Amino acid sequence: NAGVTQTPKFRILKIGQSMTLQCTQDMNHNYMYWYRQDPGMGLKLIYYSVGAGITDKGEVPNGYNVSRSTTEDFPLRLELAAPSQTSVYFCASSSPRQGWETQYFGPGTRLLVL
Amino acid sequence: AQKVTQAQTEISVVEKEDVTLDCVYETRDTTYYLFWYKQPPSGELVFLIRRNSFDEQNEISGRYSWNFQKSTSSFNFTITASQVVDSAVYFCALSEEVDSNYQLIWGVGTKLIIKP
Repeated sequence: NAGVTQTPKFRILKIGQSMTLQCTQDMNHNYMYWYRQDPGMGLKLIYYSVGAGITDKGEVPNGYNVSRSTTEDFPLRLELAAPSQTSVYFCASSSPRQGWETQYFGPGTRLLVL
Repeated sequence: AQKVTQAQTEISVVEKEDVTLDCVYETRDTTYYLFWYKQPPSGELVFLIRRNSFDEQNEISGRYSWNFQKSTSSFNFTITASQVVDSAVYFCALSEEVDSNYQLIWGVGTKLIIKP
């Protein structure tokens, strides 16, 4: 049982490049979330999903897209990378059966946009 | 608006000292949840505790204890006999209902440094 996994762990992008951050969970959780954490700050919600085929915007969705075709996967897409997107990205999941409110996090992806 | 305030940005203590991390929250909801997460230097986020708004009993888990007081809207976290391994950033979070879905509102974190 791996929990929540994220790839890659670290990536450097040039301005204007695109990439997809991968997130997979094997706990059969309905809810999944993407956060970004800027230095010295708390987490800000980018997008979330309450189940396959359903996604919704969080607090800071601009510049990102998501999809949820399966329960397990919740990729985050950056289409035109900007320096302001330099951050650490965390994926999380939760389940109403275990208390939806308790979110379990992946190890994070550190992204640097130059 | 919902809000979580962790006024202590950094705390430094010597090993074996007790230390309390403060968390003050604001919410309109009558039912809500409060959380503490730990982020060690390795970067992952580790769930520590969840407390619902109807349960004001203090909780103790080993050297960790939590004091929830609705009257002061606080959910403070105490580490007794601190150890170097406790060095981390600690986040307090509050659940928020948004369009029948639930999200977490996060504090900015308190960086705890335990010196040997």
